[in-house]
Amino acid sequence: DVVMTQSPLSLTVTLGQPASISCRSSQSLVFSDGNTYLHWFQQRPGQSPRRLIYKVSNRDSGVPDRFSGSGSGTDFTLKISRVEAEDVGVYYCMQGTHWPFTFGPGTKVNI
Amino acid sequence: EVQLVESGGGLVQPGGSLRLSCAASGFTFSTYWMHWVRQAPGKGLVWVSRINSDGGSTNYADSVKGRFTISRDNAKNTLYLQMNSLRVEDTAVYYCVRGGVDVWGKGTTVTVSS
Repeated sequence: DVVMTQSPLSLTVTLGQPASISCRSSQSLVFSDGNTYLHWFQQRPGQSPRRLIYKVSNRDSGVPDRFSGSGSGTDFTLKISRVEAEDVGVYYCMQGTHWPFTFGPGTKVNI
Repeated sequence: EVQLVESGGGLVQPGGSLRLSCAASGFTFSTYWMHWVRQAPGKGLVWVSRINSDGGSTNYADSVKGRFTISRDNAKNTLYLQMNSLRVEDTAVYYCVRGGVDVWGKGTTVTVSS
């Protein structure tokens, strides 16, 4: 199985300041169709996961533009340009290129 | 509104069985792959199973292979997960997820305990 690692596992940020989460995969996430199926999810306390970013850098509808994704191959990053109180939660990267799909361990973001 | 609503969770003894359901609405269910993902208490997310749009192809995590069966009824817009030989380590919230992993249900809780 593809192992996804994230760093840091916990992050305390100041309101209005930037935050960055790194995600690495144990093998390339480039699929045979040329796409890279690396997605980012936010899980607020007591809620279901919500997809924020799909295929590395595409923001989902309704996701604030302070969230951005980048990377390629095996190395990816989620950035929050200015953290707001509603951004508290756990952030997961997930690969959908190789079955079984796998998630990173999660990064807990606190204010 | 696109929606997935899970049901069927509950408390069951080790070795028992449960059948989870996921009612889909607001989209053309029959054209999407569907997935089950679970989350043990205080833990991360783990893929359980997936099924293609017509039900002819399925995949399972090694941890549930031979014990769980995913299926769907496109006429009823419903996804199922039959869980047999349940173990304590199957205790989790089970989420129904649309194929593009863009839509998640609220989850149903399965507790396996004596």
